[in-house]
Amino acid sequence: DAKTTQPPSMDCAEGRAANLPCNHSTISGNEYVYWYRQIHSQGPQYIIHGLKNNETNEMASLIITEDRKSSTLILPHATLRDTAVYYCIVSSGGGADGLTFGKGTHLIIQP
Amino acid sequence: AAGVIQSPRHLIKEKRETATLKCYPIPRHDTVYWYQQGPGQDPQFLISFYEKMQSDKGSIPDRFSAQQFSDYHSELNMSSLELGDSALYFCASSSTLRPDTQYFGPGTRLTVL
Repeated sequence: DAKTTQPPSMDCAEGRAANLPCNHSTISGNEYVYWYRQIHSQGPQYIIHGLKNNETNEMASLIITEDRKSSTLILPHATLRDTAVYYCIVSSGGGADGLTFGKGTHLIIQP
Repeated sequence: AAGVIQSPRHLIKEKRETATLKCYPIPRHDTVYWYQQGPGQDPQFLISFYEKMQSDKGSIPDRFSAQQFSDYHSELNMSSLELGDSALYFCASSSTLRPDTQYFGPGTRLTVL
């Protein structure tokens, strides 16, 4: 699986949009970009994934650059409950492949 | 909605003992994954099963073994426990209808003394 690079930490004011970047310059054509988050010591939670088109669901939006070498997860209106470690993971997906968690970004939502 | 169930939630063992962790996937999910998260570390994939067959293998020590049963629940067996095995162990499940999404359980916290 391709390697990802994320900033170790970010702050965001409550109610504002949180934009979390991820670099994955070695991504291959059949690999998806996944985002999970982990709220302190809880099980990781799936957020969203995409291949090359931008995606949106009830939790977030995922913007993938045209060359697919980077992406941005957007939480449109961050709340205190969004404070967590956010992981960007690149994987060919499907099957029963395990996820390779990198270092992730610790997002802190400030009141 | 039903979630992944893990038992026990907490477990304390002595060095060189054995431990068995159990995972009950979401109903109708046929794939189970095991992850280990040491203190201050990120989750590490151990092993996965699809339809009771081992599917993918990560950094699982030889002292650990796992299996998936006919009712799709899974057990992680850990022998000759070491202090370094102290960690959170997460189980996740997914279905063939949505194989891209893994749903994680609350974890089992194992402490080896």
